[in-house]
Amino acid sequence: DAKTTQPNSMESNEEEPVHLPCNHSTISGTDYIHWYRQLPSQGPEYVIHGLTSNVNNRMASLAIAEDRKSSTLILHRATLRDAAVYYCILPNSSGAGSYQLTFGKGTKLSVIP
Amino acid sequence: GAGVSQSPSNKVTEKGKDVELRCDPISGHTALYWYRQSLGQGLEFLIYFQGNSAPDKSGLPSDRFSAERTGGSVSTLTIQRTQQEDSAVYLCASSLAPSQWSNYGYTFGSGTRLTVV
Repeated sequence: DAKTTQPNSMESNEEEPVHLPCNHSTISGTDYIHWYRQLPSQGPEYVIHGLTSNVNNRMASLAIAEDRKSSTLILHRATLRDAAVYYCILPNSSGAGSYQLTFGKGTKLSVIP
Repeated sequence: GAGVSQSPSNKVTEKGKDVELRCDPISGHTALYWYRQSLGQGLEFLIYFQGNSAPDKSGLPSDRFSAERTGGSVSTLTIQRTQQEDSAVYLCASSLAPSQWSNYGYTFGSGTRLTVV
């Protein structure tokens, strides 16, 4: 299974951009890169995903390296509500039709007022 | 509904009792997953449903755990003879069919916090 590596924690000041890195050097050509976040006492929330090209949505942007061995989740203006654990995931096809999400420790983002 | 609904939100049970956890997925989502998250740990996959069938049960930790899904909608996760190590947050997620999933991802519920005393 392709693995991901993320920093354990990061801090950002409110209203500033945040760049959350993820390394996935063993990614295969068909692996999508997904990002989820989990706020305290809540279930994980889908943020964004991509395959090769950079992606933007209302929540964030995803920048994918040309060799796809790393990616960066970009929050353009951090708010206090963005304080959460952010997970970079390469969904694993089980071969039984399911795509399992293997959540590692993620990056705990703290936002300073 | 608008989101994935799980009930109860909290459950405290005595060791040895059976518990049932319910998940109501987003309407139209044919794929349904159960995960659990122990304190300070990552998510652990339990079981996957496509429609009413469960082609992947590889994550169920023991035969005390079972799940069913009816009408391609509501799912129930049952834990028999609960043990203290079963204490965790049990999360349900739903998604469109796998062939469409890659464009949309999963939607998770808020979970059921199970405490076995």
